[in-house]
Amino acid sequence: GEDVEQSLFLSVREGDSSVINCTYTDSSSTYLYWYKQEPGAGLQLLTYIFSNMDMKQDQRLTVLLNKKDKHLSLRIADTQTGDSAIYFCAESITSASKIIFGSGTRLSIRP
Amino acid sequence: GAVVSQHPSWVICKSGTSVKIECRSLDFQATTMFWYRQFPKQSLMLMATSNEGSKATYEQGVEKDKFLINHASLTLSTLTVTSAHPEDSSFYICSASRQGAEKLFFGSGTQLSVL
Repeated sequence: GEDVEQSLFLSVREGDSSVINCTYTDSSSTYLYWYKQEPGAGLQLLTYIFSNMDMKQDQRLTVLLNKKDKHLSLRIADTQTGDSAIYFCAESITSASKIIFGSGTRLSIRP
Repeated sequence: GAVVSQHPSWVICKSGTSVKIECRSLDFQATTMFWYRQFPKQSLMLMATSNEGSKATYEQGVEKDKFLINHASLTLSTLTVTSAHPEDSSFYICSASRQGAEKLFFGSGTQLSVL
């Protein structure tokens, strides 16, 4: 079945890199997403990657995909206080199909 | 970019009343919309898939008679929480698919509090 797993918490020092990891089970997943949710707010799509890609970089964000291990990671370089949020890993089979979300990783930044 | 408007953004109601949440695609036609529910400090759980002009497909464990979904037009889907109870208090968020787009578009969510 479909399952997406992430660790629940991550604490990093301001200025360091944050790496949030995710594993998924559905081998037919074609789209893999990272969403950000700030307290009391909706979802913000940060980035996404196709399953035929290994890496995608977008400014401070780097997504790595290991399709063989069904492992996805999000690296945030030079983490800032404004990056404090919950980060959801998610997957879908097509761009128009339902999205299955992971449990979310709460990223906290310490000075 | 494509915009999905969700209304209301928050609602407080008495136990036993019904609440309707609207999800509109403002600048595109959405043949499919999805409804999610998020309890505090938890992930988003898919409730149902709404297709224009047909009955919604509900996920396992979601009561279709309690959570009524209507997708009467290509730009509007509604979720009605009937006879709401405190355990229905949650964050409800919709998303819509646009043909040719590489992603879904999410509404801003509705925080429902049932007293």
